[in-house]
Amino acid sequence: AQSVTQLDSQVPVFEEAPVELRCNYSSSVSVYLFWYVQYPNQGLQLLLKYLSGSTLVESINGFEAEFNKSQTSFHLRKPSVHISDTAEYFCAVSESSGNTPLVFGKGTRLSVIA
Amino acid sequence: DTAVSQTPKYLVTQMGNDKSIKCEQNLGHDTMYWYKQDSKKFLKIMFSYNNKELIINETVPNRFSPKSPDKAHLNLHINSLELGDSAVYFCASGHTGELFFGEGSRLTVL
Repeated sequence: AQSVTQLDSQVPVFEEAPVELRCNYSSSVSVYLFWYVQYPNQGLQLLLKYLSGSTLVESINGFEAEFNKSQTSFHLRKPSVHISDTAEYFCAVSESSGNTPLVFGKGTRLSVIA
Repeated sequence: DTAVSQTPKYLVTQMGNDKSIKCEQNLGHDTMYWYKQDSKKFLKIMFSYNNKELIINETVPNRFSPKSPDKAHLNLHINSLELGDSAVYFCASGHTGELFFGEGSRLTVL
């Protein structure tokens, strides 16, 4: 079975500063990795995903994440955050066979301060 | 045009009552899910249906009964509601981990 650990439950950061949200996973088989974002009072939206190929994946709004197999990590980064990035961010993992449901981490609350 | 829609958005009810949440997706996905998000934002899968067939049933009390009349719909019925059932319930559809979520149904049991 897979599991996901998001070490930081809350990350406050000033506007235009860089941010890194950490995610580590555990699995005995190959996996797909995801970051989802949840804005207040909304459902989750897919931010970016790693399925195969390049280990660095990017989203359309400036976030990127790097799959590191040796460290079993998939940290999310953004070089300069905006107020509108304030949200809950969830890292998630599923088996690449597609036979297991998505397993989520406990989430990291990113608060961007003006 | 909403991709995954669930109703109602809010439910407030007394302990012991029965309630239902409906979910519909227009994305053509074969697989649909119900997730529960507790007050600490932790998301846990409850059920998964593929083409109207139950494929995942996590350790959820049997007071919770999903029903899928067709592959575009997955409804959730809850009997004998308890205080601990208070949460936000999310419906989702998709595959290979790429899920599309509804906006959630916030259930408050008094």
